[in-house]
Amino acid sequence: DTEVTQTPKHLVMGMTNKKSLKCEQHMGHRAMYWYKQKAKKPPELMFVYSYEKLSINESVPSRFSPECPNSSLLNLHLHALQPEDSALYLCASSQGGTGPDSPLHFGNGTRLTVT
Amino acid sequence: DQQVKQNSPSLSVQEGRISILNCDYTNSMFDYFLWYKKYPAEGPTFLISISSIKDKNEDGRFTVFLNKSAKHLSLHIVPSQPGDSAVYFCAASDDDYKLSFGAGTTVTVRA
Repeated sequence: DTEVTQTPKHLVMGMTNKKSLKCEQHMGHRAMYWYKQKAKKPPELMFVYSYEKLSINESVPSRFSPECPNSSLLNLHLHALQPEDSALYLCASSQGGTGPDSPLHFGNGTRLTVT
Repeated sequence: DQQVKQNSPSLSVQEGRISILNCDYTNSMFDYFLWYKKYPAEGPTFLISISSIKDKNEDGRFTVFLNKSAKHLSLHIVPSQPGDSAVYFCAASDDDYKLSFGAGTTVTVRA
């Protein structure tokens, strides 16, 4: 069982919908991440929260809005998405940064389809 | 521009034999390297890592080798087992929070 839990596992939404992806970890990790992965491609970093503050935004369009309510929870709010945003969205956490002894732990992802 | 490259999209190996996965990188500032394993419908799972101050790290059946001068690392799995069939991602970091991933190599272990 993964220690990073993501809900829902699958999500289908229209381009005018508003939805949210949720992520939870109880490992006491201080950094949480959102990645996007398209088929046959590597995961691409979207956002990083460190100590509940947004520290990295990789020039992600504003239709994706992250939120970190507390150190264990990470949300990704979706609004007015495009069909090309369909992908696997992965949440991850780490003890601190990505250095030695602090590998990323990934959830199983949310498979998002935008119609 | 892809800074981490896995040029072999797939690898097929017989059970009990050695699997060798290769990874090349272009950014000389990378100082920490990892391998992740991914099964279908699951997220990537951390496998093994190596710091740039080392040239080898071993954990059970898995060994990672780093050649900094060639900007090349490899993952050796020996002996290969059917449960090792998965997609393997190489990743590298030069920043506290950013990982660059390769495109992945699909390993199939034949019985």
